[in-house]
Amino acid sequence: GAGVSQSPSNKVTEKGKDVELRCDPISGHTALYWYRQRLGQGLEFLIYFQGNSAPDKSGLPSDRFSAERTGESVSTLTIQRTQQEDSAVYLCASTLQITDTQYFGPGTRLTVL
Amino acid sequence: DQQVKQNSPSLSVQEGRISILNCDYTNSMFDYFLWYKKYPAEGPTFLISISSIKDKNEDGRFTVFLNKSAKHLSLHIVPSQPGDSAVYFCAAGAGSYQLTFGKGTKLSVIP
Repeated sequence: GAGVSQSPSNKVTEKGKDVELRCDPISGHTALYWYRQRLGQGLEFLIYFQGNSAPDKSGLPSDRFSAERTGESVSTLTIQRTQQEDSAVYLCASTLQITDTQYFGPGTRLTVL
Repeated sequence: DQQVKQNSPSLSVQEGRISILNCDYTNSMFDYFLWYKKYPAEGPTFLISISSIKDKNEDGRFTVFLNKSAKHLSLHIVPSQPGDSAVYFCAAGAGSYQLTFGKGTKLSVIP
C-alpha cells in the first residue's frame, strides 16, 4: 500500500520485557514522527526524525525509550524494561516536508501485563 | 498542563443536523491549527486546518472557525452524516513541526 504501515498491530508483553515497534513511512517522506496515545488521552509527541539531522528526542518519557531510523526509511521504537504505564497505542506519522500534513499509520496497541 | 483542550469527550447529533466540535488552547504562540479524524483501529487522518491569519476555512461540509482573542476554535460539520461518526482531535502548532493534540471528542451521528 501507499500509506504508513506499522507492525505489529497488537503486542502483549510482560512487565520488564523489551519491545520493538516498527514503522514504514510513505516512500519519499523525509520526516517521521512517533506519538503515543494512552487511554482517554490525546496524542503525545515522542520523537521526530528529519532526514539525516539529529532527531528531536524531547518527547521521550524516559531513558527506557529509544528510536532509530535508517536514512529516510524504516524506523523502530524500542521500549526497554516495559512498565504497565507504557500500555498505549503507539502511532507513527510521516510527512514529505517539515510543514506538510502528517500522515498517520494505524498504530501498534501495546499492552503490558 | 494541557495546552490544547477539548472539554467535551463525546457528542451525539442527529443525521442532517450540524455538529459543532470545540477546542480551546492556552499557548498564544500557536499559529496554526488542525483537525484530525480517527476511526477505531486506524490512525488519525487529516481533515482541515487553519492558520492564525485567518478566522475561517471551509472545505465542503467542514468549516473551521478560529477566534484568536478567545483562544478558541471550532469545527462545524453540516449536514452531519453517519459516516462522520469518529473521534475528532484538535491539534495546534507553533511554527515548528511539533503538534500538540487535544484528548479528542467522540462524535456519534444518529441516523
